[in-house]
Amino acid sequence: EAQVTQNPRYLITVTGKKLTVTCSQNMNHEYMSWYRQDPGLGLRQIYYSMNVEVTDKGDVPEGYKVSRKEKRNFPLILESPSPNQTSLYFCASSLNGQGAYEQYFGPGTRLTVT
Amino acid sequence: GQQLNQSPQSMFIQEGEDVSMNCTSSSIFNTWLWYKQDPGEGPVLLIALYKAGELTSNGRLTAQFGITRKDSFLNISASIPSDVGIYFCAGQLGGTSYGKLTFGQGTILTVHP
Repeated sequence: EAQVTQNPRYLITVTGKKLTVTCSQNMNHEYMSWYRQDPGLGLRQIYYSMNVEVTDKGDVPEGYKVSRKEKRNFPLILESPSPNQTSLYFCASSLNGQGAYEQYFGPGTRLTVT
Repeated sequence: GQQLNQSPQSMFIQEGEDVSMNCTSSSIFNTWLWYKQDPGEGPVLLIALYKAGELTSNGRLTAQFGITRKDSFLNISASIPSDVGIYFCAGQLGGTSYGKLTFGQGTILTVHP
């Protein structure tokens, strides 16, 4: 089954404790992206990757890191989480970033930073 | 970053009514997209628009790419209870930023049977 998986689905952590949210897709998609969703703000793009070893900032990259060492995986890293990073995070992938906007979204990761 | 203003923020309608929502931007976008998010899930693409003036339908859904390339609307005809969810517009600038996607704030749709 074609899908985007995220782990964990729920995470409660404390300020400053490094964490990684994993994202994996099994569709051989070139393009992957991370978003955060906050009430009243819609989805805001954090980082995206056009292909392996190619990443770029979205609209709200501060406090986040990503890597794209292999095509299927695109982890989101919070080196020192803060309470303002409490949010619902979505990973998405599509065939490529140029015209193929059938972005498949993962189920979401709800992160709480205390 | 870029801003998309989506309205209305929420709608409460009776089953069978038509629905209209729109997005405007101060920037020109090369592509407009409409997504729907069901509770507890990620957004799913409904319609993609690639050309100014383009009018595209997907079943009971119709969307248009504004002539100025700064706006788009989505209509849902004869709403049914499963239309409930959050609808998002999204725009892509193109050029060197074709990987960036900007979303509107969302329209929460409630349909009363």
